[in-house]
Amino acid sequence: GESVGLHLPTLSVQEGDNSIINCAYSNSASDYFIWYKQESGKGPQFIIDIRSNMDKRQGQRVTVLLNKTVKHLSLQIAATQPGDSAVYFCAENEITGNQFYFGTGTSLTVIP
Amino acid sequence: SQTIHQWPATLVQPVGSPLSLECTVEGTSNPNLYWYRQAAGRGLQLLFYSVGIGQISSEVPQNLSASRPQDRQFILSSKKLLLSDSGFYLCAWSEVGMWTNEKLFFGSGTQLSVL
Repeated sequence: GESVGLHLPTLSVQEGDNSIINCAYSNSASDYFIWYKQESGKGPQFIIDIRSNMDKRQGQRVTVLLNKTVKHLSLQIAATQPGDSAVYFCAENEITGNQFYFGTGTSLTVIP
Repeated sequence: SQTIHQWPATLVQPVGSPLSLECTVEGTSNPNLYWYRQAAGRGLQLLFYSVGIGQISSEVPQNLSASRPQDRQFILSSKKLLLSDSGFYLCAWSEVGMWTNEKLFFGSGTQLSVL
């Protein structure tokens, strides 16, 4: 599969601060990206997605930014809460493919 | 609304025994279905995916096989488990829309321990 990796394996933030989780991908044909949150022992939970025809997409307290020029994706979490502590994964998919490929994940710890 | 069911939640099996994990999706038709495996503290490895009944694509050669006997049923099997088959197995589905795939939703996972 294609390489989908994360810049930092762990991230610690103070409660109330904003969090930024980064993801790099190498497949220039990737056109659809998803961010997931996974809590221990559970399946990944869909957070937000973005297609390559967009640079930014916002959800509730989350924003995904896509920079196709440098093949970089980020997830911003506003006013991080203890419940946001989890492992976050990005996944990518090609417009012509059915496979979704994942990075190794970033572990986010929110300090009360 | 769509739901995905995966069972069992945990499974302990001896080496050499068979395996059958089942996944079903409700509330949608003709979804793409996926099996992933996750080692402890690691990312998700795509094992199999299916775009229709009887259509299985394998991503990694291994001791496992998959089948899709019905539109919304996906089964992961093994005839003889190996120690290296231990892991967290996740079933997932995606809608097939105008843009090929739209979203990917996961089941709750099966923690398999092969002893």
